Amino acid sequence: EVQLVESGGVVVQPGGSLRLSCAASGFTFDDYTMHWVRQAPGKGLEWVSLISWDGGSTYYADSVKGRFTISRDNSKNSLYLQMNSLRTEDTALYYCAKDTGSSGWFDYWGQGTLVTVSS
Amino acid sequence: DIQMTQSPSSLSASVGDRVTITCQASQDISNYLNWYQQKPGKAPKLLIYDASNLETGVPSRFSGSGSGTDFTFTISSLQPEDIATYYCQQYDNLPTFGQGTRLEIK
Repeated sequence: EVQLVESGGVVVQPGGSLRLSCAASGFTFDDYTMHWVRQAPGKGLEWVSLISWDGGSTYYADSVKGRFTISRDNSKNSLYLQMNSLRTEDTALYYCAKDTGSSGWFDYWGQGTLVTVSS
Repeated sequence: DIQMTQSPSSLSASVGDRVTITCQASQDISNYLNWYQQKPGKAPKLLIYDASNLETGVPSRFSGSGSGTDFTFTISSLQPEDIATYYCQQYDNLPTFGQGTRLEIK
Protein backbone atom coordinates (compact mmCIF):
# COMPACT_ATOMS: atom_id res chain seq x y z
CA GLU A 1 0.00 0.00 0.00
CA VAL A 2 1.34 3.40 -0.99
CA GLN A 3 1.78 5.73 1.97
CA LEU A 4 2.98 9.32 2.07
CA VAL A 5 3.40 10.90 5.48
CA GLU A 6 4.27 14.59 5.73
CA SER A 7 5.78 16.25 8.79
CA GLY A 8 7.42 19.48 9.88
CA GLY A 9 4.53 21.92 9.73
CA VAL A 10 4.52 24.48 12.56
CA VAL A 11 3.76 28.11 13.31
CA VAL A 12 6.60 30.35 12.09
CA GLN A 13 7.11 34.10 11.92
CA PRO A 14 7.25 35.99 8.62
CA GLY A 15 10.77 35.85 7.24
CA GLY A 16 11.46 32.57 8.95
CA SER A 17 12.48 29.18 7.59
CA LEU A 18 11.09 25.69 7.78
CA ARG A 19 11.82 22.25 6.34
CA LEU A 20 9.03 19.87 5.49
CA SER A 21 9.55 16.14 5.09
CA CYS A 22 7.57 13.39 3.38
CA ALA A 23 8.23 9.74 4.18
CA ALA A 24 7.22 7.41 1.36
CA SER A 25 6.51 3.69 1.44
CA GLY A 26 4.75 0.98 -0.55
CA PHE A 27 6.35 1.76 -3.90
CA THR A 28 9.78 2.06 -5.50
CA PHE A 29 10.45 5.66 -4.52
CA ASP A 30 13.33 6.34 -6.90
CA ASP A 31 11.22 5.39 -9.93
CA TYR A 32 8.93 8.40 -9.59
CA THR A 33 8.81 12.17 -9.86
CA MET A 34 7.44 13.70 -6.65
CA HIS A 35 5.55 16.94 -5.99
CA TRP A 36 4.52 19.36 -3.30
CA VAL A 37 1.03 20.86 -3.59
CA ARG A 38 -0.45 23.33 -1.11
CA GLN A 39 -3.88 24.54 -0.10
CA ALA A 40 -4.44 27.76 1.81
CA PRO A 41 -7.26 27.62 4.37
CA GLY A 42 -10.60 27.56 2.56
CA LYS A 43 -8.92 27.95 -0.84
CA GLY A 44 -8.08 25.81 -3.84
CA LEU A 45 -5.11 23.65 -4.73
CA GLU A 46 -1.82 25.20 -5.83
CA TRP A 47 1.05 23.17 -7.26
CA VAL A 48 4.31 24.23 -5.59
CA SER A 49 7.24 22.18 -6.88
CA LEU A 50 8.38 18.94 -8.48
CA ILE A 51 11.56 16.90 -8.48
CA SER A 52 12.54 14.19 -10.94
CA TRP A 53 13.27 10.63 -9.85
CA ASP A 54 16.99 11.27 -9.51
CA GLY A 55 16.80 14.83 -8.23
CA GLY A 56 18.39 16.09 -11.41
CA SER A 57 15.46 18.29 -12.43
CA THR A 58 13.46 20.60 -10.23
CA TYR A 59 10.71 23.09 -11.02
CA TYR A 60 8.85 25.67 -8.97
CA ALA A 61 5.74 27.78 -9.08
CA ASP A 62 6.53 31.46 -9.61
CA SER A 63 5.07 32.22 -6.17
CA VAL A 64 7.86 30.28 -4.40
CA LYS A 65 10.75 30.45 -6.87
CA GLY A 66 13.96 31.60 -5.19
CA ARG A 67 12.58 30.96 -1.70
CA PHE A 68 11.75 27.24 -1.64
CA THR A 69 14.01 24.30 -2.49
CA ILE A 70 12.79 20.78 -3.16
CA SER A 71 15.08 17.80 -2.61
CA ARG A 72 14.94 14.06 -2.08
CA ASP A 73 16.97 11.30 -0.48
CA ASN A 74 16.25 8.08 -2.34
CA SER A 75 18.25 6.05 0.19
CA LYS A 76 15.74 7.16 2.83
CA ASN A 77 12.62 7.18 0.63
CA SER A 78 12.12 10.79 1.63
CA LEU A 79 11.10 14.05 -0.01
CA TYR A 80 11.83 17.49 1.42
CA LEU A 81 10.81 21.11 1.00
CA GLN A 82 13.10 23.79 2.42
CA MET A 83 11.08 26.96 2.83
CA ASN A 84 12.91 30.27 3.40
CA SER A 85 11.78 33.89 3.60
CA LEU A 86 8.30 32.75 4.54
CA ARG A 87 5.36 35.08 3.97
CA THR A 88 1.89 35.13 5.47
CA GLU A 89 0.55 34.02 2.08
CA ASP A 90 2.54 30.77 2.41
CA THR A 91 0.15 29.68 5.16
CA ALA A 92 -1.34 26.43 3.88
CA LEU A 93 -1.70 22.70 4.20
CA TYR A 94 1.23 21.23 2.29
CA TYR A 95 0.68 17.90 0.54
CA CYS A 96 3.30 15.52 -0.75
CA ALA A 97 2.06 13.85 -3.94
CA LYS A 98 3.38 10.98 -6.03
CA ASP A 99 3.49 11.35 -9.79
CA THR A 100 2.23 8.49 -11.97
CA GLY A 101 5.70 8.38 -13.51
CA SER A 102 7.03 11.66 -14.77
CA SER A 103 3.80 12.86 -16.31
CA GLY A 104 2.89 15.80 -14.11
CA TRP A 105 -0.14 14.35 -12.41
CA PHE A 106 -0.81 12.72 -9.09
CA ASP A 107 -2.11 9.30 -8.16
CA TYR A 108 -1.35 9.31 -4.42
CA TRP A 109 -1.38 12.09 -1.85
CA GLY A 110 -0.39 12.37 1.79
CA GLN A 111 -2.71 13.87 4.39
CA GLY A 112 -0.75 17.10 4.52
CA THR A 113 1.15 19.13 7.10
CA LEU A 114 0.00 22.59 8.17
CA VAL A 115 2.33 25.57 7.88
CA THR A 116 1.16 28.78 9.54
CA VAL A 117 3.14 31.96 8.95
CA SER A 118 2.12 34.54 11.51
CA SER A 119 3.63 37.05 13.88
CA ASP B 1 1.79 29.41 -17.24
CA ILE B 2 -1.35 27.72 -18.48
CA GLN B 3 -4.44 29.10 -16.75
CA MET B 4 -7.41 26.86 -16.05
CA THR B 5 -10.83 28.49 -15.76
CA GLN B 6 -13.35 26.24 -14.03
CA SER B 7 -17.08 26.89 -13.71
CA PRO B 8 -19.27 27.15 -11.84
CA SER B 9 -17.48 27.90 -8.58
CA SER B 10 -20.36 26.35 -6.65
CA LEU B 11 -23.32 24.22 -7.54
CA SER B 12 -26.39 22.97 -5.70
CA ALA B 13 -28.22 19.94 -7.07
CA SER B 14 -30.63 17.23 -5.99
CA VAL B 15 -29.90 13.54 -5.56
CA GLY B 16 -30.33 11.88 -8.94
CA ASP B 17 -29.58 15.03 -10.93
CA ARG B 18 -27.11 15.17 -13.77
CA VAL B 19 -24.28 17.54 -12.84
CA THR B 20 -21.84 19.15 -15.26
CA ILE B 21 -18.67 21.15 -14.55
CA THR B 22 -16.58 22.81 -17.23
CA CYS B 23 -12.91 23.68 -17.42
CA GLN B 24 -11.25 25.87 -20.04
CA ALA B 25 -7.52 26.05 -20.65
CA SER B 26 -5.78 29.24 -21.73
CA GLN B 27 -4.08 27.32 -24.55
CA ASP B 28 -4.32 23.97 -26.27
CA ILE B 29 -3.46 21.17 -23.82
CA SER B 30 -4.56 18.24 -26.00
CA ASN B 31 -6.07 15.73 -23.54
CA TYR B 32 -3.62 16.42 -20.69
CA LEU B 33 -6.40 17.07 -18.21
CA ASN B 34 -7.40 15.34 -14.98
CA TRP B 35 -10.29 15.68 -12.55
CA TYR B 36 -9.95 15.29 -8.77
CA GLN B 37 -12.48 15.05 -5.96
CA GLN B 38 -11.73 16.51 -2.54
CA LYS B 39 -13.98 15.82 0.43
CA PRO B 40 -13.75 18.05 3.52
CA GLY B 41 -10.65 17.34 5.59
CA LYS B 42 -9.31 14.85 3.06
CA ALA B 43 -6.62 14.82 0.40
CA PRO B 44 -7.72 15.04 -3.24
CA LYS B 45 -8.56 11.83 -5.08
CA LEU B 46 -7.98 11.23 -8.78
CA LEU B 47 -11.21 10.43 -10.65
CA ILE B 48 -10.52 11.00 -14.35
CA TYR B 49 -7.18 11.07 -16.19
CA ASP B 50 -6.30 12.00 -19.77
CA ALA B 51 -9.60 13.92 -19.97
CA SER B 52 -11.87 10.90 -20.28
CA ASN B 53 -10.39 7.82 -18.61
CA LEU B 54 -11.94 6.59 -15.40
CA GLU B 55 -9.46 5.78 -12.64
CA THR B 56 -9.70 2.22 -11.34
CA GLY B 57 -12.38 1.82 -8.71
CA VAL B 58 -14.19 5.06 -9.49
CA PRO B 59 -17.95 4.65 -10.07
CA SER B 60 -19.12 4.79 -13.67
CA ARG B 61 -21.50 7.68 -12.96
CA PHE B 62 -18.42 9.90 -13.24
CA SER B 63 -17.19 10.79 -16.72
CA GLY B 64 -15.07 13.32 -18.55
CA SER B 65 -14.76 14.60 -22.08
CA GLY B 66 -13.07 17.22 -24.19
CA SER B 67 -9.75 18.06 -25.80
CA GLY B 68 -7.80 21.15 -26.78
CA THR B 69 -9.05 23.93 -24.54
CA ASP B 70 -12.55 22.87 -23.46
CA PHE B 71 -13.35 20.06 -21.06
CA THR B 72 -16.39 18.75 -19.25
CA PHE B 73 -16.84 16.64 -16.11
CA THR B 74 -20.20 14.95 -15.53
CA ILE B 75 -21.89 13.06 -12.73
CA SER B 76 -24.76 11.23 -14.40
CA SER B 77 -26.85 10.72 -11.26
CA LEU B 78 -25.76 12.64 -8.18
CA GLN B 79 -25.40 10.62 -4.99
CA PRO B 80 -25.14 11.98 -1.41
CA GLU B 81 -21.55 10.76 -1.13
CA ASP B 82 -20.56 12.92 -4.11
CA ILE B 83 -20.67 16.07 -1.99
CA ALA B 84 -17.18 17.48 -2.41
CA THR B 85 -15.11 20.05 -4.24
CA TYR B 86 -13.97 19.08 -7.73
CA TYR B 87 -10.83 20.34 -9.45
CA CYS B 88 -9.52 20.11 -12.98
CA GLN B 89 -5.74 19.98 -13.47
CA GLN B 90 -3.65 20.28 -16.61
CA TYR B 91 -0.29 18.63 -17.13
CA ASP B 92 0.65 19.80 -20.61
CA ASN B 93 3.16 22.07 -18.89
CA LEU B 94 3.95 22.58 -15.21
CA PRO B 95 0.81 21.49 -13.37
CA THR B 96 -1.95 23.97 -12.70
CA PHE B 97 -5.40 23.55 -11.18
CA GLY B 98 -8.74 25.11 -11.80
CA GLN B 99 -10.28 27.15 -8.99
CA GLY B 100 -12.55 24.31 -7.91
CA THR B 101 -16.29 23.66 -7.92
CA ARG B 102 -18.01 23.16 -4.59
CA LEU B 103 -20.92 20.74 -5.01
CA GLU B 104 -23.77 20.74 -2.49
CA ILE B 105 -27.00 18.82 -2.16
CA LYS B 106 -30.16 20.87 -2.64
